Amino acid sequence: EVQLVESGGGLVQPGGSLRLSCSASGFTFSSYAMHWVRQAPGKGLEYVSAISSNGGSTYYADSVKGRFTISRDNSKNTLYLQMSSLRAEDTAVYYCVKAERWLQSGCDYWGQGTLVTVSS
Amino acid sequence: QPVLTQSSSASASLGSSVKLTCTLSSGHSSYIIAWHQQQPGKAPRYLMKLEGSGSYNKGSGVPDRFSGSSSGADRYLTISNLQSEDEADYYCETWDSNTPVVFGGGTKLTVL
Repeated sequence: EVQLVESGGGLVQPGGSLRLSCSASGFTFSSYAMHWVRQAPGKGLEYVSAISSNGGSTYYADSVKGRFTISRDNSKNTLYLQMSSLRAEDTAVYYCVKAERWLQSGCDYWGQGTLVTVSS
Repeated sequence: QPVLTQSSSASASLGSSVKLTCTLSSGHSSYIIAWHQQQPGKAPRYLMKLEGSGSYNKGSGVPDRFSGSSSGADRYLTISNLQSEDEADYYCETWDSNTPVVFGGGTKLTVL
């Protein structure tokens, strides 16, 4: 059974940093691209970032480019999102999402999400 | 990049059927999409992948009541024999070589 468990969310001040982690199990993690998707309170889904199976290719939404860094450790079956220069508008639930296979193949499994609140 | 357009809301009666629409932007009418369901207070759940031909593949455990179809740039999700647990937000998703993930704005389905 595919399981994606996010951690690392919490309350952070504007301008601060936070690192999210996603522990994956139930599939061969190193063979699949992965995504981060967020959802602000009461809003729809917003793509944040994506990474290829070997980490060699990464993508970022314009809203986070230059501030967020996606990475993965295939030896630990873990996906990361390093967030810096955080803003109030980054407040959201952040979901770790498995790609069906490649970067451009759709999403097929979602984690339960971790809440990030940016506020003073 | 492709843009996905969804109606903001829909409603249907318990036990009836409803057809939700996701429309691809001009020049992207052949794209494959995916449908996801988000019940209140829960994480999204993958329902199916739907091709322009109307062929679809459902995720694990998705009830037979859920089906997909296509017509031109429109992609449909049909839910038959509506149940109370089908009350949820439904999002369509697509992708291309420049953007790994694009979501529609979502449709809030109310079961009356």
